[in-house]
Amino acid sequence: DGGITQSPKYLFRKEGQNVTLSCEQNLNHDAMYWYRQDPGQGLRLIYYSQIVNDFQKGDIAEGYSVSREKKESFPLTVTSAQKNPTAFYLCASSFGGQQFFGPGTRLTVL
Amino acid sequence: GENVEQHPSTLSVQEGDSAVIKCTYSDSASNYFPWYKQELGKRPQLIIDIRSNVGEKKDQRIAVTLNKTAKHFSLHITETQPEDSAVYFCAASKGPGDSSYKLIFGSGTRLLVRP
Repeated sequence: DGGITQSPKYLFRKEGQNVTLSCEQNLNHDAMYWYRQDPGQGLRLIYYSQIVNDFQKGDIAEGYSVSREKKESFPLTVTSAQKNPTAFYLCASSFGGQQFFGPGTRLTVL
Repeated sequence: GENVEQHPSTLSVQEGDSAVIKCTYSDSASNYFPWYKQELGKRPQLIIDIRSNVGEKKDQRIAVTLNKTAKHFSLHITETQPEDSAVYFCAASKGPGDSSYKLIFGSGTRLLVRP
């Protein structure tokens, strides 16, 4: 999982502002995922992508958007429609079923 | 829908004792079962996984058992150490039967190993 990077590590957002979280992997993995984790809670799937230019909604996609223009990149945009975005966001990629996580981005709404 | 239940939600053991965490899945087509360890503020780390053609897998102090008939699998940690303290998540997926390899996660178990 050292080949998955996320930036920034910390992000602060004002009300009504869109922000984009970066996720890059150099593992040549086809599938990539975004999860949200609230304090003391489990992992909830936001979006996932199996191949370039294709992605599917997860369990909590409302207020989020993604793109997959390159195999190694899967950015997540948190839009102003997401009313409670303060959380820890984790990106992951997988090969052969094994899923590996990036270090995460901690988003706080001011 | 697909669901994975995990128990207990918290577990406290004395250093050197064993710890067991159990998960039950609902989708009988699931055939891949990983376990993740997450330390405070860090990313989940894959610690062991098992596929449905195997009933048990061991890696040093960690083992996972799978009962496909009952649709449950368990994580066993022997000779626990304080550094084992973390939150553990189980997960299930359909593997090659679902090319997205989407994982369904349990709700997590907070393990505390008392020195």
